[in-house]
Amino acid sequence: DGGITQSPKYLFRKEGQNVTLSCEQNLNHDAMYWYRQDPGQGLRLIYYSQIVNDFQKGDIAEGYSVSREKKESFPLTVTSAQKNPTAFYLCASSIGGGLAKNIQYFGAGTRLSVL
Amino acid sequence: DQQVKQNSPSLSVQEGRISILNCDYTNSMFDYFLWYKKYPAEGPTFLISISSIKDKNEDGRFTVFLNKSAKHLSLHIVPSQPGDSAVYFCAASTMEYGNKLVFGAGTILRVKS
Repeated sequence: DGGITQSPKYLFRKEGQNVTLSCEQNLNHDAMYWYRQDPGQGLRLIYYSQIVNDFQKGDIAEGYSVSREKKESFPLTVTSAQKNPTAFYLCASSIGGGLAKNIQYFGAGTRLSVL
Repeated sequence: DQQVKQNSPSLSVQEGRISILNCDYTNSMFDYFLWYKKYPAEGPTFLISISSIKDKNEDGRFTVFLNKSAKHLSLHIVPSQPGDSAVYFCAASTMEYGNKLVFGAGTILRVKS
């Protein structure tokens, strides 16, 4: 049963705390992405990775960090530097490889709230 | 600068009728367009896509139309069903941006039975 698994579904962060959101895929996709969704807004790209051990900043990378040590895993850390972390976070993956038809497939999301 | 715009925040349609969701873009380099459907507290699900070399793509009840000269695309759902009630996002990509997707803000579709 192939897909993208995000955990946890709900996460609470205390002031000054770093938290890590997990994203795992078993689709054998090269590319992975992290988005943030705020109410009434579209998805905004935080970080993306086209290949293992490489990643690039998206449009709103400040206050976030990622790693891509394994093809199937792309964890996102929300650091204390992110002053407004409350949002719905979505992980996605795609075949990648510079293909023009870049269909991204999404996980179920993690809702992060600040205590 | 919003490169992909969905100007209608919401749309209400009667069951069995046609739903038309619209999307405009500003970057003429976009060459691939996608529609996603999203239920609350879930991830978006890919619906249908279209390449800039085409002006229409159909998949069952869903048809996407692309008007490159107007930089406009639309998603038609016929007939609309209550289960179609969701948020619909259009997205665009170009090789210039490494095929990253640029999303619109979404349109909430409500299909009334």
